[in-house]
Amino acid sequence: SAVISQKPSRDICQRGTSLTIQCQVDSQVTMMFWYRQQPGQSLTLIATANQGSEATYESGFVIDKFPISRPNLTFSTLTVSNMSPEDSSIYLCSVEGLLNYGYTFGSGTRLTVV
Amino acid sequence: GQQLNQSPQSMFIQEGEDVSMNCTSSSIFNTWLWYKQDPGEGPVLLIALYKAGELTSNGRLTAQFGITRKDSFLNISASIPSDVGIYFCAGMNTGFQKLVFGTGTRLLVSP
Repeated sequence: SAVISQKPSRDICQRGTSLTIQCQVDSQVTMMFWYRQQPGQSLTLIATANQGSEATYESGFVIDKFPISRPNLTFSTLTVSNMSPEDSSIYLCSVEGLLNYGYTFGSGTRLTVV
Repeated sequence: GQQLNQSPQSMFIQEGEDVSMNCTSSSIFNTWLWYKQDPGEGPVLLIALYKAGELTSNGRLTAQFGITRKDSFLNISASIPSDVGIYFCAGMNTGFQKLVFGTGTRLLVSP
């Protein structure tokens, strides 16, 4: 399966600022996915990022708050904009596994907004 | 958004015991996945199920895809301390390529 490197692994940010999270994959993938995991909760899909087109956002998530870039087939970024304490979560990127064998996740970015 | 219901919510067992957890949905999926998440890590895939009725094993883990395609269960035999973590089921329908995650089962194992 693909190996995903996510940066930063954690950060503490001031409210009102923005943080950009990077996701690097060791192989070319068509689709990359960004998830949010709020404290003690399950994973919720934020958006799907395809190379060469705008990301597709799930209900409750908007591009102004979570802009996504997908400049090539191995890299994507998620920005959490104008942060508030409610944005404190783990943010994870994911890609489809080889031969449709499930999906692989990065180790996540633990964000705390103060 | 849509979410799958997992039960139990948490379990505290003795080392060596067998564990069973399940996942139910109000809608049909044609793929079921089971993940384990350790603290500070992303979920790691344990087992993937692609056919209704399918029973698949991976070491001490066994999972089944329910006949109705609305449920799945995961069994862990002879639990060990490193089985501690949160177990998530996830459903997917081909063509949509989006995972819907369950609410999670937290497993604690006492040595």
